[in-house]
Amino acid sequence: AQTVTQSQPEMSVQEAETVTLSCTYDTSESDYYLFWYKQPPSRQMILVIRQEAYKQQNATENRFSVNFQKAAKSFSLKISDSQLGDAAMYFCAYRSLETSGSRLTFGEGTQLTVNP
Amino acid sequence: DSGVTQTPKHLITATGQRVTLRCSPRSGDLSVYWYQQSLDQGLQFLIQYYNGEERAKGNILERFSAQQFPDLHSELNLSSLELGDSALYFCASSVGRLNTGELFFGEGSRLTVL
Repeated sequence: AQTVTQSQPEMSVQEAETVTLSCTYDTSESDYYLFWYKQPPSRQMILVIRQEAYKQQNATENRFSVNFQKAAKSFSLKISDSQLGDAAMYFCAYRSLETSGSRLTFGEGTQLTVNP
Repeated sequence: DSGVTQTPKHLITATGQRVTLRCSPRSGDLSVYWYQQSLDQGLQFLIQYYNGEERAKGNILERFSAQQFPDLHSELNLSSLELGDSALYFCASSVGRLNTGELFFGEGSRLTVL
């Protein structure tokens, strides 16, 4: 079974600065997706960014980018020019492509605080 | 708006009672997933349905059951409720068998058991 580990329960960053959230995962599969979801105080789950494992190029969405290291099974999220609205719980998630229609497996989350 | 609708948004009930949570997936999505999020914890997978049939089971208690109807909406039934069942219950949907993208989440149903 796949597992996802987020070793930073809490992180903080100054507004306009850059922060990196860490995620590692364990799998024997070669085809999969990785995601970062954001959960603000409203508790809504919002997709931030996704990465297909077969793509070598790291995904980027505006101020959000990932550092995907497949061999190391590492998938970190970098938030540039942090804004107050970025404050949320961030979850890393894994989805198998080798099992059709499979579930998402989530890490335990990292609570990000943005200081003005 | 993800297109996934969950009702009710909030529910308060007593121990020993039974409740039903409802989920309408995005139009065209065949798969429905249920997750439980207890206070300050991650999301735990409960169960998945695909086009009316159970596809996968996670850490779902025997007191809990679910089903997906012909119109693809799903219900999660929680019975003999205990204090520890208080949580946020998410429903998510995806296209289905060949879908390789993300899951789309509803806003959740917050259950409080007193």
